[in-house]
Amino acid sequence: SQKIEQNSEALNIQEGKTATLTCNYTNYSPAYLQWYRQDPGRGPVFLLLIRENEKEKRKERLKVTFDTTLKQSLFHITASQPADSATYLCASGSARQLTFGSGTQLTVLP
Amino acid sequence: EAGVAQSPRYKIIEKRQSVAFWCNPISGHATLYWYQQILGQGPKLLIQFQNNGVVDDSQLPKDRFSAERLKGVDSTLKIQPAKLEDSAVYLCASSSGPANTGELFFGEGSRLTVL
Repeated sequence: SQKIEQNSEALNIQEGKTATLTCNYTNYSPAYLQWYRQDPGRGPVFLLLIRENEKEKRKERLKVTFDTTLKQSLFHITASQPADSATYLCASGSARQLTFGSGTQLTVLP
Repeated sequence: EAGVAQSPRYKIIEKRQSVAFWCNPISGHATLYWYQQILGQGPKLLIQFQNNGVVDDSQLPKDRFSAERLKGVDSTLKIQPAKLEDSAVYLCASSSGPANTGELFFGEGSRLTVL
């Protein structure tokens, strides 16, 4: 069956460092991947979308990569700030449906 | 631009009771989704509408859950009768096209506690 997995362990990093979150998928090839941010008690907020024919996408301090050989997407936040602390969700998409991973909780320490 | 509106924000009921959640998507968005998010997990799609037609309801427990989107605008999700395992946040989202064409806009969610 199709599976999308994110590192369930929380990630703590120091302010100013680069945070790297991982999303792995198995048993299928998604046409695209999306990343969302979710704060406690709020709905997810869209950050970036990357398609299977794109290797990298950037938006301000955010960068996403899509490696179809490794079946993996990496999400980077450079020059991280305490305000970046949240849960980050990876979602894989096909023509009809978007499937979410369980998310990785990031804490940026001042 | 107004976002996705959901109500109620919080609901506490006892098992075997019924509950209904309402969602008003962003104006003009053709696609509407209901997701269930259990604490510590990612959102799980329950049902997806394209205008007022159902695109995917394969993960909707149809013996107790129902949803409708009359006139292709707002939507209602109902649970009857509720079970303890239905305790979760019910997220409504909308998009201007199908999910593969861009981002989903989520509401703040309706948190259900079943006692």
